[in-house]
Amino acid sequence: GEDVEQSLFLSVREGDSSVINCTYTDSSSTYLYWYKQEPGAGLQLLTYIFSNMDMKQDQRLTVLLNKKDKHLSLRIADTQTGDSAIYFCASAVGYNKLIFGAGTRLAVHP
Amino acid sequence: DTGVSQDPRHKITKRGQNVTFRCDPISEHNRLYWYRQTLGQGPEFLTYFQNEAQLEKSRLLSDRFSAERPKGSFSTLEIQRTEQGDSAMYLCASSRKAGDEQYFGPGTRLTVT
Repeated sequence: GEDVEQSLFLSVREGDSSVINCTYTDSSSTYLYWYKQEPGAGLQLLTYIFSNMDMKQDQRLTVLLNKKDKHLSLRIADTQTGDSAIYFCASAVGYNKLIFGAGTRLAVHP
Repeated sequence: DTGVSQDPRHKITKRGQNVTFRCDPISEHNRLYWYRQTLGQGPEFLTYFQNEAQLEKSRLLSDRFSAERPKGSFSTLEIQRTEQGDSAMYLCASSRKAGDEQYFGPGTRLTVT
């Protein structure tokens, strides 16, 4: 079945770049998404990439997609303490439901 | 646009009671989704609607769960005879149409004692 996997924890120094990685199994994924969740809150859509693209840049965020390896990454430039949160990778199955990873907890320290 | 709203934000209930949650999607969004998130996990798909039609239900949605979207606007999710294993955050999302990005509400946190 469909599965999405992420590393569980990442710690970075303020001002450095963060790279969060994700792998997925469904070769028919249409879109891949990154969501951010702060404690006790819902999910905030950060960015997404269509499956036929390799890269997408949106201000401090860069998404890279290696479709052959089914590998997705999110790079956050100049990471700030406000970026501390859990980041979820999600794969769109067809044009319907999303399959989420377990989330990567990003801790930003001074 | 105002965002997706959910009510209540928190619900504490005793085992065996029935609970109902409400979701109001973003205006003019045809698609509405329900997900469940347990502690330390990512959201898991439960069901979705295209307007008022419920098009898919996950195996996670046992017979005790029912969802409706009358008139294709707001949606309700009811859990009958709640069990402790139902304790979770219930998230609602909406999208303008199939394939569009999904926007999530703040969730309803259910605690079954």
